Amino acid sequence: DQQVKQNSPSLSVQEGRISILNCDYTNSMFDYFLWYKKYPAEGPTFLISISSIKDKNEDGRFTVFLNKSAKHLSLHIVPSQPGDSAVYFCAASPNTGNQFYFGTGTSLTVIP
Amino acid sequence: DVKVTQSSRYLVKRTGEKVFLECVQDMDHENMFWYRQDPGLGLRLIYFSYDVKMKEKGDIPEGYSVSREKKERFSLILESASTNQTSMYLCASRRNGGAANEKLFFGSGTQLSVL
Repeated sequence: DQQVKQNSPSLSVQEGRISILNCDYTNSMFDYFLWYKKYPAEGPTFLISISSIKDKNEDGRFTVFLNKSAKHLSLHIVPSQPGDSAVYFCAASPNTGNQFYFGTGTSLTVIP
Repeated sequence: DVKVTQSSRYLVKRTGEKVFLECVQDMDHENMFWYRQDPGLGLRLIYFSYDVKMKEKGDIPEGYSVSREKKERFSLILESASTNQTSMYLCASRRNGGAANEKLFFGSGTQLSVL
């Protein structure tokens, strides 16, 4: 059963506008969340993370929001750039144990 | 920066062959992982290892085995390759801490085709 879900397989956004990628999870034991970015034929690279003690974390153009009561997180990219076109995976981890659970990914296309 | 190196970027094998995928990391990480990525299914964990000679099954271990004889190296073995094992295979490592806030570092992946 998929514990981390990304319900939008793809998203297209105009350059300069905001991209919002969403992720939902079911396990209330998750307390650390990450976003990874993946280009074709490359491994995923870490983008940004958030701990469950926060509701927002910002790094340059990237902001992650966490709504624990709704078990929902989102990644905002502002402004979007063509180089942001990639597949974005969200991942979650419980405080104990070593396993990360990944969503199915959202393919973002930023149109110049 | 952490470097996770997978020995092959592309691999073509025949059904029934025994296949070895090798992964080496250079940051003395305790934990190592093997995932496969398939369209629409995301990243699914095959096996992971939290120390030398230790291994744990992930979500989809059937048809795979692993070997961790040295801390820096984690091998994925397809005992008898089948066409449904055609996939992108990703190795990852992370530091052990019990706490969740140690991110995974991934290799570039091996695209395996089984004919």
